[in-house]
Amino acid sequence: EVQLVQSGAEVKKPGESLKISCKGSGYSFSNYWTGWARQMPGKGLEWMGIINPGDSDTRYSPSFQGQVIVSADKSISTAYLQWSSLRASDSGVYYCARGHDGFWDYWGQGSLVTVSS
Amino acid sequence: QSALTQPASLSGSPGQSITISCTGTSSDIGAYNYVSWFRQEPGTAPKLLIYGVSNRPSGISDRFSGSKSGNTASLTISGLQADDEADYYCNSYTRTTRTHVFGTGTRVTVI
Repeated sequence: EVQLVQSGAEVKKPGESLKISCKGSGYSFSNYWTGWARQMPGKGLEWMGIINPGDSDTRYSPSFQGQVIVSADKSISTAYLQWSSLRASDSGVYYCARGHDGFWDYWGQGSLVTVSS
Repeated sequence: QSALTQPASLSGSPGQSITISCTGTSSDIGAYNYVSWFRQEPGTAPKLLIYGVSNRPSGISDRFSGSKSGNTASLTISGLQADDEADYYCNSYTRTTRTHVFGTGTRVTVI
């Protein structure tokens, strides 16, 4: 059974760093893209970045380029999304998804990030 | 890179059909058959309904169908049911950034 299991909810202060994770199981992690999407409270979905764990090819949506880092460790089938200095506007739910052939078929359960002083 | 454009809301009566449009550009929807549709209920992850413009994953009802013409994709929900109430998002690969872009989302209400 294909599963993507994300790390738990986080409460952080502005300026702090954060790294959340997404562990894939039930498939060959290196052979599929992993993508990260943000959903701010009451708003729509936005792609942030995607990575091919097999060759580390990483691509970012313009709004998120330079704001976050997407990475992956194929040896433990885990992808990451990290911030070096959080802002209140980074609060939201973050989803990871498995991608191939131009679509995203399996999704993680979401990680809630709250940034507040 | 702008989001694909969807109507903010649509409503229909049980049994009716509704069609959600998703308008992009010649760099995304118009360039590839990598259009997909998702359904999302409050507090849950998106669920894939349609991929490759018109293909349904296993387990998805044939009441959901997808199509594309030029730079616009469409999702039709036939035989509308009360539990079709949810938010619906289109998605496409875009050659502008070599990644993907979502639509703005459509809230479907069954009245």
